[in-house]
Amino acid sequence: GQNIDQPTEMTATEGAIVQINCTYQTSGFNGLFWYQQHAGEAPTFLSYNVLDGLEEKGRFSSFLSRSKGYSYLLLKELQMKDSASYLCAVLDSNYQLIWGAGTKLIIKP
Amino acid sequence: ETGVTQTPRHLVMGMTNKKSLKCEQHLGHNAMYWYKQSAKKPLELMFVYNFKEQTENNSVPSRFSPECPNSSHLFLHLHTLQPEDSALYLCASSPGGGDYNEQFFGPGTRLTVL
Repeated sequence: GQNIDQPTEMTATEGAIVQINCTYQTSGFNGLFWYQQHAGEAPTFLSYNVLDGLEEKGRFSSFLSRSKGYSYLLLKELQMKDSASYLCAVLDSNYQLIWGAGTKLIIKP
Repeated sequence: ETGVTQTPRHLVMGMTNKKSLKCEQHLGHNAMYWYKQSAKKPLELMFVYNFKEQTENNSVPSRFSPECPNSSHLFLHLHTLQPEDSALYLCASSPGGGDYNEQFFGPGTRLTVL
């Protein structure tokens, strides 16, 4: 079966750095997405990785290792508004998105 | 604002009621999706429409019935639902047809079945 694993919940301090991991086992791979979802709101796109390596976008970076079936989302200089759920999703060989359950990130002052 | 709107935002219904959820996208996309999001569970893909044709029906019970009259509108008709159907129902759209499949989500309808 297809599976995406990510921690259920993480806590970090304002101004710090946090890394949210995602591991996957899917039938094929055509890219990995990270989405952010604030409580009661729509998921919004953060990043897309299809090649190995690190993609940086401002305070957020996403890393992919296809050989290890592993990705992480790195958030720097955390702000209170970063409190949200972070969803990892993999595009499989049929170009269908397989979703993780999401990681709820709590930022403390 | 993601360019995808959903109505109503909240819905409470009894098990014998019939209701419909509506989704509209203003992005010129050709693919639209219905997802079910339950607490602490992965998003569950329910239906996919590509160029108005249904391409996915992931073993969804017949009490959920989708309708896609055109590329901009998507409905989910509900009847004789069960309490376990209570969840957030998300609509999404994407350009469709291509390899890169970034999806744009609406804010969802919070459904409670009594």
